[in-house]
Amino acid sequence: AQSVSQHNHHVILSEAASLELGCNYSYGGTVNLFWYVQYPGQHLQLLLKYFSGDPLVKGIKGFEAEFIKSKFSFNLRKPSVQWSDTAEYFCAALYNFNKFYFGSGTKLNVKP
Amino acid sequence: DADVTQTPRNRITKTGKRIMLECSQTKGHDRMYWYRQDPGLGLRLIYYSFDVKDINKGEISDGYSVSRQAQAKFSLSLESAIPNQTALYFCATSDFSATGLREQFFGPGTRLTVL
Repeated sequence: AQSVSQHNHHVILSEAASLELGCNYSYGGTVNLFWYVQYPGQHLQLLLKYFSGDPLVKGIKGFEAEFIKSKFSFNLRKPSVQWSDTAEYFCAALYNFNKFYFGSGTKLNVKP
Repeated sequence: DADVTQTPRNRITKTGKRIMLECSQTKGHDRMYWYRQDPGLGLRLIYYSFDVKDINKGEISDGYSVSRQAQAKFSLSLESAIPNQTALYFCATSDFSATGLREQFFGPGTRLTVL
């Protein structure tokens, strides 16, 4: 079955710390991968996406993600987090250009 | 994204009541989706529509129905609301971007509380 899993449910970091959020997806044909961010009280916004080509994808606000096909992973990274990065982060996969599946989300709390 | 709007933004209702949540988009996208978000569960797909005549069930369609009145409108109904349908509901649209990749765009959400 197609699915997306995020293993970190709640992450607490201090400002300037490095961030890595895990995301794994199941095999299911052609897969496009996304990371979304949801700031408190707001809707989901796209951070970055992977379709093909360079497996290291750069997104907005200094975020990047690396697609590792052999590990079925698409981890999100940021070298130095800021208090304003406090939000919930969702990994998502589009299978066969058809249906989107979302992970359960990771809440990031950055302490000033 | 202001191009995808949802009404109402907040609703409190009682068990057994019929509720309709509405979604409109000005993006001209063909596909529309309804999700519910629950703490710790992420977003789960309720229904999706590829065009006006194409409606499909998602992961958790029981207790819900939808109507795609036009390309721009996709409504979600709870025929007889129950407390475990208390959640944040998001509408989304999708279309191919300039990169050839299908992306989703989300509305602001409707917070529904069923007492």
